Amino acid sequence: DTGVSQDPRHKITKRGQNVTFRCDPISEHNRLYWYRQTLGQGPEFLTYFQNEAQLEKSRLLSDRFSAERPKGSFSTLEIQRTEQGDSAMYLCASSSQRAPSGSYNEQFFGPGTRLTVL
Amino acid sequence: GQSLEQPSEVTAVEGAIVQINCTYQTSGFYGLSWYQQHDGGAPTFLSYNALDGLEETGRFSSFLSRSDSYGYLLLQELQMKDSASYFCAVNGGGADGLTFGKGTHLIIQP
Repeated sequence: DTGVSQDPRHKITKRGQNVTFRCDPISEHNRLYWYRQTLGQGPEFLTYFQNEAQLEKSRLLSDRFSAERPKGSFSTLEIQRTEQGDSAMYLCASSSQRAPSGSYNEQFFGPGTRLTVL
Repeated sequence: GQSLEQPSEVTAVEGAIVQINCTYQTSGFYGLSWYQQHDGGAPTFLSYNALDGLEETGRFSSFLSRSDSYGYLLLQELQMKDSASYFCAVNGGGADGLTFGKGTHLIIQP
């Protein structure tokens, strides 16, 4: 078990460009979540998957944001036409009911992708 | 909607005990979680309370009162490495992710 990994760790882009981030969850976890975190704030929930099904996407910040988990393993988060306000840390987490707490609320976070939009 | 309130900053002395409170408002409730985040690090799960009462895990304990929409995290025998931000979070329904508070920055003084 190597934990949740995210790639890239840092991304600098110019306004208007598209960016895509990848998340590899813990292999036996069936749920995968995306959050955004800005300085001094808690993580903000964006969307989540159970296996390959996207069960909640109403919290995505705008229609410029989309996520996929095509084979129920890794996931990608894409932001189209980036804006300066998109600059933040994008966190991925995964969970399973087989966690020690027995709850999906025990989520394991990756190190995040820090996005800077110039 | 869902909202959580927790103090923005708490200061305590090494070896002491500190309590971080959290009150929440949510349209549905499936449990209160606590996460720790060191500067530059990822959030790390500490505890989860679905039912009223106290859950103890080593030096950390968490309490929940569903009738009061209130919980707290208790940290005992504080160590310098406990300096971090602590977030309470609620799951308002099975289809939602976690809603986090703004976090409490815990400062430990020697």
